Amino acid sequence: DTGVSQDPRHKITKRGQNVTFRCDPISEHNRLYWYRQTLGQGPEFLTYFQNEAQLEKSRLLSDRFSAERPKGSFSTLEIQRTEQGDSAMYLCASIPSSGGASWETQYFGPGTRLLVL
Amino acid sequence: AQSVTQPDIHITVSEGASLELRCNYSYGATPYLFWYVQSPGQGLQLLLKYFSGDTLVQGIKGFEAEFKRSQSSFNLRKPSVHWSDAAEYFCAVGASPYDKVIFGPGTSLSVIP
Repeated sequence: DTGVSQDPRHKITKRGQNVTFRCDPISEHNRLYWYRQTLGQGPEFLTYFQNEAQLEKSRLLSDRFSAERPKGSFSTLEIQRTEQGDSAMYLCASIPSSGGASWETQYFGPGTRLLVL
Repeated sequence: AQSVTQPDIHITVSEGASLELRCNYSYGATPYLFWYVQSPGQGLQLLLKYFSGDTLVQGIKGFEAEFKRSQSSFNLRKPSVHWSDAAEYFCAVGASPYDKVIFGPGTSLSVIP
């Protein structure tokens, strides 16, 4: 397994369009996280899944955002009616679920950079 | 609420010089602390982490960090910086290795040859 992968790596869209990003976590990692990173800032938590269940959503995740992880493997993040303020890097991370080794850590993907024109 | 501050937005050092990046956190319980590095066009890479035990932790690429509970600090150090260390460095805190991570705003490091 080569790590967390994200697709696409770059996306340019016009304001008002819908976009969807995909994240493939490391195999058998139960937890999957989405973060957003704007220019010059650290990543901010958006939401996370334990298997297929979405257990927490940040206040940053407006109703235009929806995330799924239907089979507990890959996840998608959809943004409807994009706005220029949505321009950012969207990062995905995965980790085994709690109960594993204390030395575990989140493994981050390369991110999807979104530009809304 | 959990938060992380990194007082230095940008630091420039000469190659071969020592480096210290500051990090202060606010957390109600014993935190899990992390330092990540992000190079242009690259994903976040974990340099080191701390959750208990020896307060001086060693990481990859010759980095180390010291946890000081009394100062709520977790500063990152390297004795001799290489040009390839130029990147963005993020300090972060979490409730456990499995919980969401709260990142600081980052410190951008430039290295002068």
